[in-house]
Amino acid sequence: DAKTTQPNSMESNEEEPVHLPCNHSTISGTDYIHWYRQLPSQGPEYVIHGLTSNVNNRMASLAIAEDRKSSTLILHRATLRDAAVYYCILSGSGGGADGLTFGKGTHLIIQP
Amino acid sequence: KAGVTQTPRYLIKTRGQQVTLSCSPISGHRSVSWYQQTPGQGLQFLFEYFSETQRNKGNFPGRFSGRQFSNSRSEMNVSTLELGDSALYLCASSLRQAGNEKLFFGSGTQLSVL
Repeated sequence: DAKTTQPNSMESNEEEPVHLPCNHSTISGTDYIHWYRQLPSQGPEYVIHGLTSNVNNRMASLAIAEDRKSSTLILHRATLRDAAVYYCILSGSGGGADGLTFGKGTHLIIQP
Repeated sequence: KAGVTQTPRYLIKTRGQQVTLSCSPISGHRSVSWYQQTPGQGLQFLFEYFSETQRNKGNFPGRFSGRQFSNSRSEMNVSTLELGDSALYLCASSLRQAGNEKLFFGSGTQLSVL
């Protein structure tokens, strides 16, 4: 299974942009890149996903490297509510939840 | 639209007992996946059910089992509980098999084994 590597923790200031990196050097051509985040005492929630092109939604942007071996989740203007553990995971297009292997994620700390 | 509902929210059991956890997916979702979350191991995949059939299974012992009903509701069962089974058990639902589908998670069942 393709694995991802993320920093254990990152710190940022409120109202500033945050760039969360993820390395996935063994990604296959059909793997999608997903990001989820988990707020304290809650289950994970979907943030964004993409295959090759950069993606934007109301929560964040996903920048995917041209060789697809890394990606970056961008929170354009962090708020205190964005403090959470962020997971970068890969999934195959063939189906099956075992493709969604969650690692330890990045613990994002937002300073007021 | 109601979200994913897991019951009970908290559970305390003793070693050797068995436990059944319940998950009601979002209406119309046919896939339910189960995950175990512990501080040391993070989120680990247990199994996925789609249309009442187990489609994928993670690397857990046979004491962990599950099933899915015709209304897509799912249960997971852990028999002969061990202290190490203390964890947050999360279920997630999706419209189709979960490969690259968006997952919707419940708030989990916090199981404590004494």
